[in-house]
Amino acid sequence: GAGVSQTPSNKVTEKGKYVELRCDPISGHTALYWYRQSLGQGPEFLIYFQGTGAADDSGLPNDRFFAVRPEGSVSTLKIQRTERGDSAVYLCASSPGFATDTQYFGPGTRLTVL
Amino acid sequence: GENVEQHPSTLSVQEGDSAVIKCTYSDSASNYFPWYKQELGKRPQLIIDIRSNVGEKKDQRIAVTLNKTAKHFSLHITETQPEDSAVYFCAARVSGSRLTFGEGTQLTVNP
Repeated sequence: GAGVSQTPSNKVTEKGKYVELRCDPISGHTALYWYRQSLGQGPEFLIYFQGTGAADDSGLPNDRFFAVRPEGSVSTLKIQRTERGDSAVYLCASSPGFATDTQYFGPGTRLTVL
Repeated sequence: GENVEQHPSTLSVQEGDSAVIKCTYSDSASNYFPWYKQELGKRPQLIIDIRSNVGEKKDQRIAVTLNKTAKHFSLHITETQPEDSAVYFCAARVSGSRLTFGEGTQLTVNP
């Protein structure tokens, strides 16, 4: 079946602008994760959802970052007042359930803040 | 929180040789240890994983070993091929929480 998909694949924005990044998990997967990957580093956890609720948002760097998953499927990561330091690849992953270990990653959205 | 360290950061081998990448973790409650392969510009792909109730797992040319007492685990790739060239990430997870990744190892297999 279809894997995790993310849109857009690339996003270029100007400092101070607002951006939204979308993640479509594998159908039926109830757990959804957002990670951020800077060049040459491993993915860094941001937030994860079990169903519609954020089970752990302790990785969000500050209050400019927010994520939602209103219907328990698609998720949107929202970044307000973008800064150059926000430039990175934003990865989404999903897994069948909260207690299921294996996470399947999407291709990521490369965000560039000019 | 969990901290994962990965070594080496770069590894170059000749085709047909073996490659070993090592990781250590800090949280003794971690019980799941996956390894991901990431090619340039692509998504991380799970290649093998191991749970804390198992000491070793093998899948064709790839194997992972886990030493819970020492809190370290390793990836072993035998008979390396040029298409094995990529960045490899280890990770650790406490049940029901996020993955914590290592910094990655750039593996280059020279023909």
